Amino acid sequence: EVQLVESGGGLVQPGGSLRLSCIVSGFNYNSHWMSWVRQAPGKGLEWVANIKHDGSEKYYGDSVKGRFTISSDTAKKSVYLELSGLRVEDTAVYYCAREEGYSVPAFDYWGRGTLVTVSS
Amino acid sequence: QSVLTQPPSVSGAPGQRVTISCTGSSSNIGADFAVHWYQQLPGTAPRLLIYGNNIRPSGVPVRFSGSKSGTSASLAISGLRTEDEADYYCQSFDNRLGGSVVFGGGTKLTVL
Repeated sequence: EVQLVESGGGLVQPGGSLRLSCIVSGFNYNSHWMSWVRQAPGKGLEWVANIKHDGSEKYYGDSVKGRFTISSDTAKKSVYLELSGLRVEDTAVYYCAREEGYSVPAFDYWGRGTLVTVSS
Repeated sequence: QSVLTQPPSVSGAPGQRVTISCTGSSSNIGADFAVHWYQQLPGTAPRLLIYGNNIRPSGVPVRFSGSKSGTSASLAISGLRTEDEADYYCQSFDNRLGGSVVFGGGTKLTVL
């Protein structure tokens, strides 16, 4: 059974930092890209970043470029998202999602999400 | 303001057919990038419903279908059921400024 489990969310002050983790199981980690997708309270989905399993390629959405860093650990079958320079508008549920190998990434498995709240 | 435009809400009675539109531009759907659709039930993570414009993953009922034409795509749900009440999102890729995955703003489906 494919499983993705996020952790690391919490309350942080504006300008602060946080590290999110996503540990996966039930599939060959080395065969898939992984993404982080977020959803602000009551709002829609926003793609944040993605990474190839070996970390050799990574891409970011415009709103987080330069502030967030995605990384991957194949031995631990885990993907991470380092959040820095946090803003109130970064408050959201952050989902880890597996990408299916299609011409345009399709997210076929999702974790339950971890809530990040940025507030003073 | 989302790159892909969806109606905020649609509604229908049980058994009816509804469609949800997803309007893009020449830098995304019109550039022949595939469109995917997701269903998000209240309080849960999104679920992949349609990929590659019109392909249903295993386990998705045939009542759900997708199509694409020009700069737009559509999700159709026939034989509406109360359990279909959810938020629906389209997703594609936009090739401006280096390229990025993009989502529609989401559509709330109410089953009357």
